[in-house]
Amino acid sequence: EVQVLESGGGSVQPGGSLRLSCAASGFTFSSFAMTWVRQAPGKGLEWVSTISSSGDNTWYGDSVKGRFTVSRDNSKNTLYLQLNSLRADDTAVYFCARYEYSSSSNRWFDPWGQGTLVTISS
Amino acid sequence: DIQMTQSPSSLSASIGDRVTITCRASQTIGTYLNWYQQKPGTGPKLLIYAASSLQSGVPSRFSGGASGTDFTLTISSLQPEDFATYYCQQSYITPFTFGQGTRLEIK
Repeated sequence: EVQVLESGGGSVQPGGSLRLSCAASGFTFSSFAMTWVRQAPGKGLEWVSTISSSGDNTWYGDSVKGRFTVSRDNSKNTLYLQLNSLRADDTAVYFCARYEYSSSSNRWFDPWGQGTLVTISS
Repeated sequence: DIQMTQSPSSLSASIGDRVTITCRASQTIGTYLNWYQQKPGTGPKLLIYAASSLQSGVPSRFSGGASGTDFTLTISSLQPEDFATYYCQQSYITPFTFGQGTRLEIK
């Protein structure tokens, strides 16, 4: 079964750091780009970052650029998100998902994990 | 950034009803439009990709349509397990943006 599983969430003070992990199984991890999406409590979905299959290329949303870093270890089938300089508005459930694309360049996220909660509070 | 506007934001319907949710993009995105279903406490589930392609394993009562910058998700006959929140998403260009969601409730 193709699945991804996030971990590493927790409660952190403003200005602090945290590293999230996403363990992938059931597919050839090194062949797929991966993505992070977050959801603030009671709110909608916000794309955070995407990383290419090799890790050579990364993309970020403006709200996290310069503070968050996405990376991957293809030997461990694991995706990471390093969160630095955390703010109250970073409080959210963070989801990882496999990034798929078709021959016509359409792309989508599937599957998604259950998410890991990050709470920023003093 | 491309803005995705979903309507309605909430909807009450009965088992067996036909329901349509609309998503409008602020600029042309071709067919780079996906639909997801989310139930409380879980990650989103892909329903439709490339505007009208049904993801494997998703019931055929779900369908997607497109006309210019307007997109639709239709559920032909609501089942109890369909009550959830639905999101559209454009994958034309980063930042990939989502609609604000449509909460589908039981009448």
